[in-house]
Amino acid sequence: NAGVTQTPKFQVLKTGQSMTLQCAQDMNHEYMSWYRQDPGMGLRLIHYSVGAGITDQGEVPNGYNVSRSTTEDFPLRLLSAAPSQTSVYFCASSPSSVREGYNEQFFGPGTRLTVL
Amino acid sequence: GDSVTQMEGPVTLSEEAFLTINCTYTATGYPSLFWYVQYPGEGLQLLLKATKADDKGSNKGFEATYRKETTSFHLEKGSVQVSDSAVYFCALSEIQGAQKLVFGQGTRLTINP
Repeated sequence: NAGVTQTPKFQVLKTGQSMTLQCAQDMNHEYMSWYRQDPGMGLRLIHYSVGAGITDQGEVPNGYNVSRSTTEDFPLRLLSAAPSQTSVYFCASSPSSVREGYNEQFFGPGTRLTVL
Repeated sequence: GDSVTQMEGPVTLSEEAFLTINCTYTATGYPSLFWYVQYPGEGLQLLLKATKADDKGSNKGFEATYRKETTSFHLEKGSVQVSDSAVYFCALSEIQGAQKLVFGQGTRLTINP
């Protein structure tokens, strides 16, 4: 049971380049989300998904796209990277709250992204 | 909107000292409250939680009590160890199941031997 995995661990992009941050979980969790962590600002929610085929925006969605074609995977796409997207990105998952009441979110190890 | 405010860091203590990290929140409803810990180079781990007023969450010697009257959820530990060095995040969720978390800015804690 690997939990929540993220790839790559580190990435450097040039302004305008595109890339996809990968996130996968093997716990059959319905809920998945992406956060970014910036110094002095804690973590902020980018996008989230309550199940395959369903996504929604969080607090800071601009410049990012997501899709959820399977329960296991929730990739985050940067279509045209900007220096303001330099950050550490965390993926998280949890079981459905509808059926199971309170649930803990499980976080991946993070991807450190630098945009030059 | 909802928000969480933590005491400014970094915090540096000696081993066996008493720890308090303050956390206050603003929310429209009755949120669940959490403390997460991030060890160097790792993702966040849930440290403790409280889902209603007057609940006390505890884990690994850490405690926090949900105080609705003061909208606070301060983290305490009676005797810290070097291994407690980490960044601590206070967070809340208005949604049942802790699925949309609002985080504080984090407090970096360093414990010296």
